Amino acid sequence: SQTIHQWPATLVQPVGSPLSLECTVEGTSNPNLYWYRQAAGRGLQLLFYSVGIGQISSEVPQNLSASRPQDRQFILSSKKLLLSDSGFYLCAWSYAGRRDEQYFGPGTRLTVT
Amino acid sequence: QKEVEQDPGPLSVPEGAIVSLNCTYSNSAFQYFMWYRQYSRKGPELLMYTYSSGNKEDGRFTAQVDKSSKYISLFIRDSQPSDSATYLCAMSGGYQKVTFGIGTKLQVIP
Repeated sequence: SQTIHQWPATLVQPVGSPLSLECTVEGTSNPNLYWYRQAAGRGLQLLFYSVGIGQISSEVPQNLSASRPQDRQFILSSKKLLLSDSGFYLCAWSYAGRRDEQYFGPGTRLTVT
Repeated sequence: QKEVEQDPGPLSVPEGAIVSLNCTYSNSAFQYFMWYRQYSRKGPELLMYTYSSGNKEDGRFTAQVDKSSKYISLFIRDSQPSDSATYLCAMSGGYQKVTFGIGTKLQVIP
């Protein structure tokens, strides 16, 4: 069966510090991978998605970036965090060729102070 | 107008009640419809997946899609305190990004 991992689970970082969140998927090959941010009262916002190694599409221009160095690894980064980057970050995957049936990881709660 | 509208609640019901959760949408291209359950401080969990119109049942859960009215529903029978969570509807039109509702917070009171 497929499993998706995210770490860390919680993170408190000062404004201006760098960020690296990691997501890995087990049990499937060549998945589509996604990063979402969930803010209270605002639903899920798609940040990035990837259909393969090194292929990243950005949905929202901001100070975040994503990379996919391996087939089942997806990384969300920032060089300098802003207060507005606080939120609940979720990684998700779907089968190759599909974007509808997405499966989410446990999430990372980021607080920028 | 938002593509997907969902009442955020909260919705409080007594244990054993039938719960009805709903979403409306405006994009007629949507043909894949999902319901996710999200417990506090956890990631969303896919509950139901439906293609096009019709009903789908899984245990105590029934998903309905009415494409003519652009309206989808999730029914929970014999609701339990463990059903207390936020329920998100989601939909897409094939190989396009999934659009999520804001989520309805449900509380089932013992």
